[in-house]
Amino acid sequence: DTAVSQTPKYLVTQMGNDKSIKCEQNLGHDTMYWYKQDSKKFLKIMFSYNNKELIINETVPNRFSPKSPDKAHLNLHINSLELGDSAVYFCASSQDISGASGTDTQYFGPGTRLTVL
Amino acid sequence: KQEVTQIPAALSVPEGENLVLNCSFTDSAIYNLQWFRQDPGKGLTSLLLIQSSQREQTSGRLNASLDKSSGRSTLYIAASQPGDSATYLCAVNDSGGKLIFGQGTELSVKP
Repeated sequence: DTAVSQTPKYLVTQMGNDKSIKCEQNLGHDTMYWYKQDSKKFLKIMFSYNNKELIINETVPNRFSPKSPDKAHLNLHINSLELGDSAVYFCASSQDISGASGTDTQYFGPGTRLTVL
Repeated sequence: KQEVTQIPAALSVPEGENLVLNCSFTDSAIYNLQWFRQDPGKGLTSLLLIQSSQREQTSGRLNASLDKSSGRSTLYIAASQPGDSATYLCAVNDSGGKLIFGQGTELSVKP
């Protein structure tokens, strides 16, 4: 059973299109995250949701809009895709807001490789 | 602003060697530090988590240390195996409750 799953695994699209990436976790966790890994393999947090509420929003263009319909899902919608959006996007989850107890580990999904042509 | 640096960027060793990966961070106000492993085309797997009050954590052949005051952590891998080949990422969980990653050390263990 996959703990954190993402769909699709690969996404190839044209500049200007709108696309969504879905994430689901079956760990019963309260907090979910989206990270972006660029071509140089540098991982950077984008968003974090706790109990469906946005708690971290890094400096991300407003073309990116996360949506959390329930605690087990955090989807990422991207409008007007640009070449620079090409990257691998990782979803992750943790029991609580990481750091609140000092013991939480984040569990990562397999990633979605987005290529914008 | 917290910054995390990992040295070396890449490392190649023969099987059986003991090795050390280094991680440094600029702001000592962290909740914990985590080491992850990333295999090519895959997600991240958590290896060890050290709370800010701890000095080290061990799991099997892995030992991670934390010196918060100097802003350093090391990951020690004993008796390396080809299956250890992967990218190892260090991340600090700062007071904002988010993980800030280093750029990773790409490890290759030759049979």
